[in-house]
Amino acid sequence: KAGVTQTPRYLIKTRGQQVTLSCSPISGHRSVSWYQQTPGQGLQFLFEYFSETQRNKGNFPGRFSGRQFSNSRSEMNVSTLELGDSALYLCASSLAVWDRAHEQYFGPGTRLTVT
Amino acid sequence: AQSVTQLDSHVSVSEGTPVLLRCNYSSSYSPSLFWYVQHPNKGLQLLLKYTSAATLVKGINGFEAEFKKSETSFHLTKPSAHMSDAAEYFCVVSGSNAGGTSYGKLTFGQGTILTVHP
Repeated sequence: KAGVTQTPRYLIKTRGQQVTLSCSPISGHRSVSWYQQTPGQGLQFLFEYFSETQRNKGNFPGRFSGRQFSNSRSEMNVSTLELGDSALYLCASSLAVWDRAHEQYFGPGTRLTVT
Repeated sequence: AQSVTQLDSHVSVSEGTPVLLRCNYSSSYSPSLFWYVQHPNKGLQLLLKYTSAATLVKGINGFEAEFKKSETSFHLTKPSAHMSDAAEYFCVVSGSNAGGTSYGKLTFGQGTILTVHP
């Protein structure tokens, strides 16, 4: 099976712009989670989607949003970029449906640099 | 609420010697616990998982971890380190989805950088 894929791998944006990142989960996985990784804050949970519905959200401002399509592919969007948004954004997919958590499989990430 | 504390930010070992990476967790529910590894400029790879079956869990590349509820610990070990083990390791907790508060959310420790000397 192909793994989780993320596009683009690298992005450079200017403050105030917006950006859209894309994630394709492992075939058959319906849950997609997004994380932000920075040297100072480590890995932090952004949100999770399952069957096109956001089921959980982390403590990030409303500038961070996402969506999931009927084929389970997911996008996240960051509007009005700030310097502090520079990070590695990781997408993970899982079989998780109910109750006990399943392991998540991560993509290679998108490295976003805001100048 | 759940949290993870990795007790060492850096661990340095010689090739061929044992590896011990320490992790304590806190969880309101019966947790699922994981160890992930991240090599430089790479994504996260799952090493092993604990989901309330056997308390001693075996993973890939010779790693294993033991779940100790009384000590709220989930330490990662390997009998003999290899140069290719040099990477950053993350202890991760996921609570029950009961109540819907943990859907899809993994809580990561701050990471332990493992250095392996020849």
